[in-house]
Amino acid sequence: NAGVTQTPKFQVLKTGQSMTLQCAQDMNHNSMYWYRQDPGMGLRLIYYSASEGTTDKGEVPNGYNVSRLNKREFSLRLESAAPSQTSVYFCASSRQGYSTDTQYFGPGTRLTVL
Amino acid sequence: GESVGLHLPTLSVQEGDNSIINCAYSNSASDYFIWYKQESGKGPQFIIDIRSNMDKRQGQRVTVLLNKTVKHLSLQIAATQPGDSAVYFCAESNTGNQFYFGTGTSLTVIP
Repeated sequence: NAGVTQTPKFQVLKTGQSMTLQCAQDMNHNSMYWYRQDPGMGLRLIYYSASEGTTDKGEVPNGYNVSRLNKREFSLRLESAAPSQTSVYFCASSRQGYSTDTQYFGPGTRLTVL
Repeated sequence: GESVGLHLPTLSVQEGDNSIINCAYSNSASDYFIWYKQESGKGPQFIIDIRSNMDKRQGQRVTVLLNKTVKHLSLQIAATQPGDSAVYFCAESNTGNQFYFGTGTSLTVIP
């Protein structure tokens, strides 16, 4: 049982390049989330998927798109990367998308945009 | 708006001592709180949670206290060990799916 996995672990992009961050969970959770973590700031929600087939914007969605491919997988796409998107990205999942459900996190993707 | 803050950005304790990490929140409607531990280069790891209908909850070597009157949350770690060195942050939630996370307190355990 691997929990939440993310690929890649590290990535360097040039401004304007695109890429997709992959996330998968094997806990049969219904809800999945993408966060970014920046120095001196708490985790900020980019997008979430309360259940398969649905996605919603979080606190900082601009510059990102997501796809809930199936119940296990939730990807985050940067269409045209900008230096402001340099950050550590975490995927998380929870059994249900309710406020009283614990979220479990992946190991993160460290992205640098030059 | 929401704000979740920690009183101290860093904390150093001697191995074997007890640690107390504090967190303030601003939304009185928040009803669920989680403490996470994040080691360097890793993702946040769930430690313990508490709902707003409780004042105290205990786990293995950890206790979370919730004071709704002053909107304050604390994490107590008993007999702190070197493996406890990490950043600890709290999270609160009120409506829907979104949690709000604090910036974290860095705990260093001195052998």
